[in-house]
Amino acid sequence: GQQVMQIPQYQHVQEGEDFTTYCNSSTTLSNIQWYKQRPGGHPVFLIQLVKSGEVKKQKRLTFQFGEAKKNSSLHITATQTTDVGTYFCAGRRGGYQKVTFGTGTKLQVIP
Amino acid sequence: EAQVTQNPRYLITVTGKKLTVTCSQNMNHEYMSWYRQDPGLGLRQIYYSMNVEVTDKGDVPEGYKVSRKEKRNFPLILESPSPNQTSLYFCASSSLQGAGAPYGYTFGSGTRLTVV
Repeated sequence: GQQVMQIPQYQHVQEGEDFTTYCNSSTTLSNIQWYKQRPGGHPVFLIQLVKSGEVKKQKRLTFQFGEAKKNSSLHITATQTTDVGTYFCAGRRGGYQKVTFGTGTKLQVIP
Repeated sequence: EAQVTQNPRYLITVTGKKLTVTCSQNMNHEYMSWYRQDPGLGLRQIYYSMNVEVTDKGDVPEGYKVSRKEKRNFPLILESPSPNQTSLYFCASSSLQGAGAPYGYTFGSGTRLTVV
């Protein structure tokens, strides 16, 4: 079945440093979504990418979908303590309604 | 307020005692799904539903049942819970975009289940 892996599993950064998490799928994806889960909370939808090579920005967050539509990345510029949480990617194969979540990257920001 | 409501938030039960976790959404979403979250394994899909009376298995359906008799409700049933079903459970809903694909999920607050 479809597998979606994320690296790294954990990341500690000093406040103000940049952070990147990578998402890799074993199959070509129709689209990819990103979610953020604060400690003790539930996942919250951030964005969806659909097109090959697509790049979208939300303030300090930059999301990218690979040319082959099998990988994606989330980059945070100048992290803040409010960025703490676990970031998940979630991919969907074309023709399927199932959405497979990645294993997540837990971000800790040191003030 | 648009939301997905799960109950209960916390539940401790004994092996073999049937339980139901309720999920309700007020956004008229067609698509609803159940996930379980375990450390190091991310979110794994249990069951999903495209609409009323339409349900299908996710990646880890064993030991679970669901029903979708009304659009707003999607209960998760554990007929005979076992300790390996101890987990954090999330219900989620979304609208459907082109080709029947779920758009971004709205998640409930979660149910932490412990089976002893």
